[in-house]
Amino acid sequence: DAMVIQNPRYQVTQFGKPVTLSCSQTLNHNVMYWYQQKSSQAPKLLFHYYDKDFNNEADTPDNFQSRRPNTSFCFLDIRSPGLGDAAMYLCATSREGRALYGYTFGSGTRLTVV
Amino acid sequence: SQKIEQNSEALNIQEGKTATLTCNYTNYSPAYLQWYRQDPGRGPVFLLLIRENEKEKRKERLKVTFDTTLKQSLFHITASQPADSATYLCALDIGGGGATNKLIFGTGTLLAVQP
Repeated sequence: DAMVIQNPRYQVTQFGKPVTLSCSQTLNHNVMYWYQQKSSQAPKLLFHYYDKDFNNEADTPDNFQSRRPNTSFCFLDIRSPGLGDAAMYLCATSREGRALYGYTFGSGTRLTVV
Repeated sequence: SQKIEQNSEALNIQEGKTATLTCNYTNYSPAYLQWYRQDPGRGPVFLLLIRENEKEKRKERLKVTFDTTLKQSLFHITASQPADSATYLCALDIGGGGATNKLIFGTGTLLAVQP
């Protein structure tokens, strides 16, 4: 089945130690998004790639970076994780910018910072 | 400021009844509005999309209304079942299409259907 896969499902990292979360898709969608979701809060868009074009949200901290080496893969890099970065990180894809068929989300990566 | 508001308190209903969830927004002009279901520890799953020029959309037991004057959407689940218990997220499609388009989510409403 075509899908969005996030690895790992659970990630524990040390305070200040760089960490990378990965997302892959078999849907051949051209847009990929990264959302951060804290407990009982709305998913918050960090940034997205429209094809190779990177679109950063104005309030996304510089600590968060992303890479998209090809259509299928996208990575979220947290350069120096703080305790406040503990959250569920959700990757999503859509066929184009206007998501007439909805976004397809992965199962998320739960990040714990110790 | 821009806001999307959903019932912050859980909605508890009896099996077989109709659940109605509300989404209100301010200072947005979305061309589309979407509803998602999210189970604990999982990513959201797309349910329905409604356009700004549509009043109502149905899919099986689900119905969505969209009132751009009131800036409100209502999401109904008829003949609710315990398996419908989940958090339901409202999302606004903003940005005018193209590379800058994106979905902005509400905090969601937790629905609990009692057998």
